Amino acid sequence: EVQLVESGGDLVQPGRSLRLSCVASGFIFDDYAMHWVRLPPGKGLELVASISWNGDITGYTDAVKGRFTISRDNAKNSLFLQMSSLRPDDTAFYYCARDTNWDINGAFDIWGQGTLVTVSS
Amino acid sequence: QSVLTQPPSASGTPGQRVIISCSGDTSNIGRNTVNWYQQLPGAAPKLLMYNNNQRPSGVPDRFSGSKSGTSASLAISGLQSEDEADYYCAAWDDSLTVFGGGTKLTVL
Repeated sequence: EVQLVESGGDLVQPGRSLRLSCVASGFIFDDYAMHWVRLPPGKGLELVASISWNGDITGYTDAVKGRFTISRDNAKNSLFLQMSSLRPDDTAFYYCARDTNWDINGAFDIWGQGTLVTVSS
Repeated sequence: QSVLTQPPSASGTPGQRVIISCSGDTSNIGRNTVNWYQQLPGAAPKLLMYNNNQRPSGVPDRFSGSKSGTSASLAISGLQSEDEADYYCAAWDDSLTVFGGGTKLTVL
């Protein structure tokens, strides 16, 4: 079964760091680009970060540039999001999603169940 | 403020046809294909339509998509209660995928 499972979400104080993980199974992980997408409470979906199949190409939404880093370990079928200098407006469900392509410009055809990040003092 | 513009809400009665619009510009919809996602309450998003009008396996043919210029639309015919969800359009925009703000569809 093709599956993505996120973990690492937690309640953290503003200014702290957190690392999200996403483990893939059921498909050849390094054939696909991957993404982190978030859903803040009461708002719409927002692409946070994207990474190509080999990590050579990455992209970030302006709101997280310089604070978040996306990475992947193809040997471990894993995707990561290192989040630092967290702010209350980073509070959201964070989903990892698979691209239909090796590059980061395709549709997102497989999604994880999401992990909740809450930034509050 | 989302890059792509969608109406915040839409509604219809069972059996009706509903259309959800998505407006962008030449840097996104105008030069790239549009994808649509459905998010049922309490669930993860799901790919509903890709490359403007292609349905992934398992998506009923009641759902259809189209694109013209810098706008796209998702049509749902024969509306059913289980179609009640949030719908998002998305497109590539120079260096990143951008989403619409989402449309909450209510089945009356």
